[in-house]
Amino acid sequence: DTAVSQTPKYLVTQMGNDKSIKCEQNLGHDTMYWYKQDSKKFLKIMFSYNNKELIINETVPNRFSPKSPDKAHLNLHINSLELGDSAVYFCASSQIHGPQHFGDGTRLSIL
Amino acid sequence: AQKVTQAQTEISVVEKEDVTLDCVYETRDTTYYLFWYKQPPSGELVFLIRRNSFDEQNEISGRYSWNFQKSTSSFNFTITASQVVDSAVYFCALSDNNNDMRFGAGTRLTVKP
Repeated sequence: DTAVSQTPKYLVTQMGNDKSIKCEQNLGHDTMYWYKQDSKKFLKIMFSYNNKELIINETVPNRFSPKSPDKAHLNLHINSLELGDSAVYFCASSQIHGPQHFGDGTRLSIL
Repeated sequence: AQKVTQAQTEISVVEKEDVTLDCVYETRDTTYYLFWYKQPPSGELVFLIRRNSFDEQNEISGRYSWNFQKSTSSFNFTITASQVVDSAVYFCALSDNNNDMRFGAGTRLTVKP
């Protein structure tokens, strides 16, 4: 009964490949997010969706495309992976103005 | 634009010492929300506390306490009688009325036995 689950936990792939990370929450929250945490632990918001609608779209390469089929899911698709995309990606969800509940993270390594 | 500053990059203390983690924020909103999260070595992000801008009351939860001062735009976090299990990266965060959350750079706390 994990609240926010993201898969896979680890993703090792070659430069130039396309990959997806899935995220699901069973908390009934209206808002979902994707964050990128780099090797220095800096946590940066990438996208935010509220009831399947894109609310925040930070300056990220358009190789990154979020998709929200329903308010319980927010997937992240990445095209043409680059070395600099190596990071831990966290999915989160919250109610409006509430604390964010995070998934366990997906460690993406680009070879 | 919102900004959260955690000036202390790393802090090292010996067990049982008290330690305060500083957080200073900037926002033009009158309504906003402040948070602290803990990221232990295992990597998950754990929510610790949420404060809204209209509630300046300090809070204590066991060995943890938070001091919110609007006059200095600070939301500091104190751990009393620190323990080795408190070793983690601690993040302060600010959310505006549009639910846009911004995190500070984090403070790595090491508690030595």
